[in-house]
Amino acid sequence: AQSVSQHNHHVILSEAASLELGCNYSYGGTVNLFWYVQYPGQHLQLLLKYFSGDPLVKGIKGFEAEFIKSKFSFNLRKPSVQWSDTAEYFCAVNAHLNQGGKLIFGQGTELSVKP
Amino acid sequence: DAGVIQSPRHEVTEMGQEVTLRCKPISGHNSLFWYRQTMMRGLELLIYFNNNVPIDDSGMPEDRFSAKMPNASFSTLKIQPSEPRDSAVYFCASSSGGQGNGSPLHFGNGTRLTVT
Repeated sequence: AQSVSQHNHHVILSEAASLELGCNYSYGGTVNLFWYVQYPGQHLQLLLKYFSGDPLVKGIKGFEAEFIKSKFSFNLRKPSVQWSDTAEYFCAVNAHLNQGGKLIFGQGTELSVKP
Repeated sequence: DAGVIQSPRHEVTEMGQEVTLRCKPISGHNSLFWYRQTMMRGLELLIYFNNNVPIDDSGMPEDRFSAKMPNASFSTLKIQPSEPRDSAVYFCASSSGGQGNGSPLHFGNGTRLTVT
């Protein structure tokens, strides 16, 4: 069965620190990859996505993620975090054999940025 | 585009009562998903529909849960009878995803359910 693992449950950083959140998935075929963000009290919003092409994907708010197929990974990065980045971050995978675009989500990583 | 609309935003009910959550997907989207979010279990997919047909309901926890999509613009998730462990935030999401094209999901604001 497909699964998504996010290694960090809770990350605490100071403003201006660099961020990297890990995401690994288990599926050997072609995948689409996503990062979603959930700000406190809000619904999930798409941060960035990878479908094909350049494995380094840039999203909104200065976030980027790199797809490394050999490692089954899609880590999220940001060079300098801000207090407003405090949120929960979810990695998600869609395998091409699925019907209807079913996404499998990781458990989420809570990011707390101290001002 | 009004986005995915869920109602109610909050629901407080007593154990044993029936609860119905509602969702209106984005017009033109052909896939609809119901997720449950809790602190302990994170974000769990309960069921999803493609073109109004349930494709995968393996995430529905038990027979007390049922979901319907009578047409392309409306879906319900029903819990009968409700139990305190059903307390969670229930999200509905829709996408224009066809078979494996990986379209992103658009989430509603969720329904926070509390069962006492």
